[in-house]
Amino acid sequence: DTAVSQTPKYLVTQMGNDKSIKCEQNLGHDTMYWYKQDSKKFLKIMFSYNNKELIINETVPNRFSPKSPDKAHLNLHINSLELGDSAVYFCASSQSFTTGALRGYTFGSGTRLTVV
Amino acid sequence: AQKVTQAQTEISVVEKEDVTLDCVYETRDTTYYLFWYKQPPSGELVFLIRRNSFDEQNEISGRYSWNFQKSTSSFNFTITASQVVDSAVYFCALSASGGSYIPTFGRGTSLIVHP
Repeated sequence: DTAVSQTPKYLVTQMGNDKSIKCEQNLGHDTMYWYKQDSKKFLKIMFSYNNKELIINETVPNRFSPKSPDKAHLNLHINSLELGDSAVYFCASSQSFTTGALRGYTFGSGTRLTVV
Repeated sequence: AQKVTQAQTEISVVEKEDVTLDCVYETRDTTYYLFWYKQPPSGELVFLIRRNSFDEQNEISGRYSWNFQKSTSSFNFTITASQVVDSAVYFCALSASGGSYIPTFGRGTSLIVHP
């Protein structure tokens, strides 16, 4: 069983479209995250949810909207996609926010988004 | 502000060579946590190790070892007798209260192990 699973693994779409990436964790963790990895491999946090509540919202265009229907799921919806949104998006989870900071995360396998 | 520097962008070695990946960090906090993650060609990010600032003991796990030195603000990672399967991008990360415990990642070091 995959601990943190993301779908789809690959996503190719045209500029201006709206798309969603789904993430689910079966670890019973309370906290989930979205990270963006750019073409130079730089990893930057975008959002974090703790028990369905948004706790971190870094400087991200408001075209990006996370949604957490329950603590096991954290989806990322992106409106009006732009070329610069092309990246690998990673979902991650941790037992709690503090545990994540102190012990590290469990990451999903990533979603490679290509905007053409 | 906190910062993690992995000065080596890419390292290329031949199988069975030992290789050390450097990580230098900056933080004003006295309590902080350091991590290494591995990203193989398949793309996922795999947690390797965590070390807190109060524990300077070096750690060994099979062919992997980590050398934490507060005096030089470094947390280096050594792979002994490298194997082709070690080929990956390795990330060092730091979390501390000064950064609201949001991990700061280095830019990664790409390790290529040739057969």
